[in-house]
Amino acid sequence: GNSVTQMEGPVTLSEEAFLTINCTYTATGYPSLFWYVQYPGEGLQLLLKATKADDKGSNKGFEATYRKETTSFHLEKGSVQVSDSAVYFCALSGSSNTGKLIFGQGTTLQVKP
Amino acid sequence: DVKVTQSSRYLVKRTGEKVFLECVQDMDHENMFWYRQDPGLGLRLIYFSYDVKMKEKGDIPEGYSVSREKKERFSLILESASTNQTSMYLCASSPTGYSYNSPLHFGNGTRLTVT
Repeated sequence: GNSVTQMEGPVTLSEEAFLTINCTYTATGYPSLFWYVQYPGEGLQLLLKATKADDKGSNKGFEATYRKETTSFHLEKGSVQVSDSAVYFCALSGSSNTGKLIFGQGTTLQVKP
Repeated sequence: DVKVTQSSRYLVKRTGEKVFLECVQDMDHENMFWYRQDPGLGLRLIYFSYDVKMKEKGDIPEGYSVSREKKERFSLILESASTNQTSMYLCASSPTGYSYNSPLHFGNGTRLTVT
């Protein structure tokens, strides 16, 4: 079945450092890929998405490219801020067309001033 | 903006109690979902519904049931709460009946503790 694997956290960075959070997936068919962010005390919010191979999703300085050849969707940001401290979840659409998503285990990012 | 509202932010219940978690969305979405979130395990799907009175099991339905009598409301029921159901519960909705691309809109979660 479909699955998502994320790098383990926590990831601790200094402000303005470069961020990469790795995400790889296993899927049949042609799923869409998503990154969600969860700030402390809140639910998850969609950060960005990509719906087909080689698509690049971007939002708030974050980017991720749908790489079918490496089955990856790594999240990157050139210069992180303290306000980016959160838990980040990679997700893909399920194998049946029901709108449900399959999530990775989440990666906690801590950015220090 | 879409709003998904979960009725309780924190709940403390005793083992064996019947527990109801309520979720309401205000954007006429067809799909609604219940996930539980545990450290190191991410989000796991308990149940989902793609229409009124319709429900389907997710990956971990044991010990749970759901009810969707109205389109905007999706309830998660723990028939007899157990300590291993202590978790964060997240409700979500999405706008179309069948779509690979629709993002989920989440509520802020209910942290349930079963003692």
